[in-house]
Amino acid sequence: DQQVKQNSPSLSVQEGRISILNCDYTNSMFDYFLWYKKYPAEGPTFLISISSIKDKNEDGRFTVFLNKSAKHLSLHIVPSQPGDSAVYFCAASVAYGNKLVFGAGTILRVKS
Amino acid sequence: EAGVTQFPSHSVIEKGQTVTLRCDPFSGHDNLYWYRRVMGKEIKFLLHFVKESKQDESGMPNNRFLAERTGGTYSTLKVQPAELEDSGVYFCASSQGPGQGLPEAFFGQGTRLTVV
Repeated sequence: DQQVKQNSPSLSVQEGRISILNCDYTNSMFDYFLWYKKYPAEGPTFLISISSIKDKNEDGRFTVFLNKSAKHLSLHIVPSQPGDSAVYFCAASVAYGNKLVFGAGTILRVKS
Repeated sequence: EAGVTQFPSHSVIEKGQTVTLRCDPFSGHDNLYWYRRVMGKEIKFLLHFVKESKQDESGMPNNRFLAERTGGTYSTLKVQPAELEDSGVYFCASSQGPGQGLPEAFFGQGTRLTVV
């Protein structure tokens, strides 16, 4: 049973445009959500997070939106840059410090 | 600060052999996690240490996997005997404890294990 789903295996975006990566979850007990970026042969790198008490968190070019009623979150990257090309993982946790449940990842390609 | 470091970066072993993976977390991080990614799929949780104690080992596949965290510092994950389905990338991550700061987990570069 996959509790965190990233239904788009890949996404291709033109440099300078917006990238929107989506994530759905099924477990209503999830309280904390994170996005990680992963380059080949490297470990996941933390990008941005959001607590369930918020619906938006912004950090520079990256914004995460959380819709709890729809059990959906999204990551917006504006403007997209070629260096953003990587695999993006959505992850969720039921509480601070607890294990992360990951989605399968979305490959983002930003074309210059 | 070297970050989360894992050793070895790659390991190729024969079915039935033993392999031990090592993880050195961020200094002072109480939480240490092991995850595994198989065949390019999602990253799956294996277990969680808080200092030297196992907090959650619900993700450990079977008793061929043994994890330890000596003195609450580095951790080892031993697979004995290894099977073909154990192949994958093993990630270690660490995070600060409650009240210590950011809760986000920081990952190592992973150990790619291939069992042949």
